[in-house]
Amino acid sequence: DAGVTQSPTHLIKTRGQQVTLRCSPKSGHDTVSWYQQALGQGPQFIFQYYEEEERQRGNFPDRFSGHQFPNYSSELNVNALLLGDSALYLCASSFLTGVGKLFFGSGTQLSVL
Amino acid sequence: GESVGLHLPTLSVQEGDNSIINCAYSNSASDYFIWYKQESGKGPQFIIDIRSNMDKRQGQRVTVLLNKTVKHLSLQIAATQPGDSAVYFCAEKGSEYGGATNKLIFGTGTLLAVQP
Repeated sequence: DAGVTQSPTHLIKTRGQQVTLRCSPKSGHDTVSWYQQALGQGPQFIFQYYEEEERQRGNFPDRFSGHQFPNYSSELNVNALLLGDSALYLCASSFLTGVGKLFFGSGTQLSVL
Repeated sequence: GESVGLHLPTLSVQEGDNSIINCAYSNSASDYFIWYKQESGKGPQFIIDIRSNMDKRQGQRVTVLLNKTVKHLSLQIAATQPGDSAVYFCAEKGSEYGGATNKLIFGTGTLLAVQP
């Protein structure tokens, strides 16, 4: 049973560029959340997708957007990258009703130069 | 605003000793708390959770204690092993949407270093 998978594992971009990160949830899960984890900090909630719609959003600008596909996989897009966007981006999946028991992927390490 | 913080950023223990990691939370309305373990290069791994109608919950070698009076959580690890070395986060479920949310509010984390 595959867990949450994310790609790519590492990415280097320059300021102003755009990036797309991908996530496949754990088998049977229908809800995907994205988190940003800065170095030495705890993860911060970006948004949550369920039934292909953004259901809840954290305190992140509109440069951060996402999508969920019919197979429950998801993408995180970040436009106009800033140096401060450098972080580990984590995807987590669950059943909508399985609140809290999130299963996390290993993340995508994004470096913005 | 909501926040969850930890008292100790680093905890060093000897192998075989018991470890206690502490956490304070600020939202008295929070009703669900989770502890995660994060090893280097990996995502957070669920350890144990507790609801606000409980004071204590035990798992395999781990116990979580909840003191709602002082808004304090602790994670106890019995007979700490080198494989327990990691960063430990407490997290609080967001209070929006009546609980139907995957928004977790994480603290900064405590690094547990187990000395052989």
